Amino acid sequence: EAQVTQNPRYLITVTGKKLTVTCSQNMNHEYMSWYRQDPGLGLRQIYYSMNVEVTDKGDVPEGYKVSRKEKRNFPLILESPSPNQTSLYFCASSSRTRGDTQYFGPGTRLTVL
Amino acid sequence: GQQLNQSPQSMFIQEGEDVSMNCTSSSIFNTWLWYKQDPGEGPVLLIALYKAGELTSNGRLTAQFGITRKDSFLNISASIPSDVGIYFCAGSSNTGKLIFGQGTTLQVKP
Repeated sequence: EAQVTQNPRYLITVTGKKLTVTCSQNMNHEYMSWYRQDPGLGLRQIYYSMNVEVTDKGDVPEGYKVSRKEKRNFPLILESPSPNQTSLYFCASSSRTRGDTQYFGPGTRLTVL
Repeated sequence: GQQLNQSPQSMFIQEGEDVSMNCTSSSIFNTWLWYKQDPGEGPVLLIALYKAGELTSNGRLTAQFGITRKDSFLNISASIPSDVGIYFCAGSSNTGKLIFGQGTTLQVKP
């Protein structure tokens, strides 16, 4: 089954404790993206990657890092999480031929205390 | 940065009614997408539009890519209770960067 998976689905942590949210897709997609969703603000793009070893900032990249060492994986790293990063995070992927038709993972709800 | 204005913000309608929502942008997009998000789930793609003026249907859903390339609308005909959810428009200039609207929350009364 074609899908985007994220782990963990839920995470409660404390300020300053480094964490990684993993994202994996099995569709051989070139494009992968991370979004955060906050009430009233819709989805805002954090980082995206157009292929292996190629990453670019989205609209809200501050406080986040990403890496794209393999085509299928695109982890989101919070080196020193802060409470304003409490949010619902989505990973998405798409093919190069239809780079904008993105398929989303189930989401990771992160709470930073 | 680029912004999309999506309206209405919320709708509460009777089952069987038609629904219309739209998005406008100050910038030109090459692609317009419409997503639906159910509670606790990620957005699911409903319709993708790739050409100005394009009108596309998916069952009871119809969406159009505005000829100015700065707007799009989504219509849902004969709404049913399972249409409940949040609908998002998104625009892109084919760079891999998607800009989302704020969402339209739809509630359907049986």
